[in-house]
Amino acid sequence: QITLRESGPTLVKPTQTLTLTCSFSGFSFSTSGVGVGWIRQPPGKALEWLALIFWDDGEHYRPSLKSRLTITKDTSKNQVVLTMTNMDPVDTATYYCAHRRSDSFFAYWGQGTLVTVSS
Amino acid sequence: EIVLTQSPATLSLSPGERATLSCRASQSVRSYLAWYQQKVGQAPSLLIYDASNRATGIPARFSGSGSGTDFTLTISSLEPEDFAVYYCQQRSDWPLTFGQGTRLEIK
Repeated sequence: QITLRESGPTLVKPTQTLTLTCSFSGFSFSTSGVGVGWIRQPPGKALEWLALIFWDDGEHYRPSLKSRLTITKDTSKNQVVLTMTNMDPVDTATYYCAHRRSDSFFAYWGQGTLVTVSS
Repeated sequence: EIVLTQSPATLSLSPGERATLSCRASQSVRSYLAWYQQKVGQAPSLLIYDASNRATGIPARFSGSGSGTDFTLTISSLEPEDFAVYYCQQRSDWPLTFGQGTRLEIK
């Protein structure tokens, strides 16, 4: 059974760096094709893909946010970490992590964590 | 970036009716398109992958069709639990993109 859970601060100040952790079980980065991505959703708005990392360390980022994002994985801890620098109120959103294989879509999602950016 | 345009933005129907949702891509995504359902306060859940394949546990009343740039999600007979927001997503090219969603509401 695959499960994912996001954790991190619920409130950050403008210009601060956000660090979110996705802890998962039921799969491993030791398996070929495995990937974990981050998707966010501002309140009342659509889903927006941010970043994804694969089992082979391949990384992909949303071009418009690439300069602010870093995604890393810790295979031994079954975790993926997303950092986003220079946070702004427009970054207020629910942030989800999700599992996908390289030949498929996001079949498993965490419950999401709401991050508010405010001074 | 491949832009996905969903229509209509809102669809008002009654239980038992047939729902037809559209997703149009700005360039061909071949068959690499998925549909997700999102209920209020919940994470999205995968319904259809690769345009026409139902994900595990998805009822047969949900079906997907299309290829290239035009795709359709059909719900043959709406159940009360189907009223939600539906998103399409492509994986044909980076960056991954989602449509803006179609809200399916009870009439």
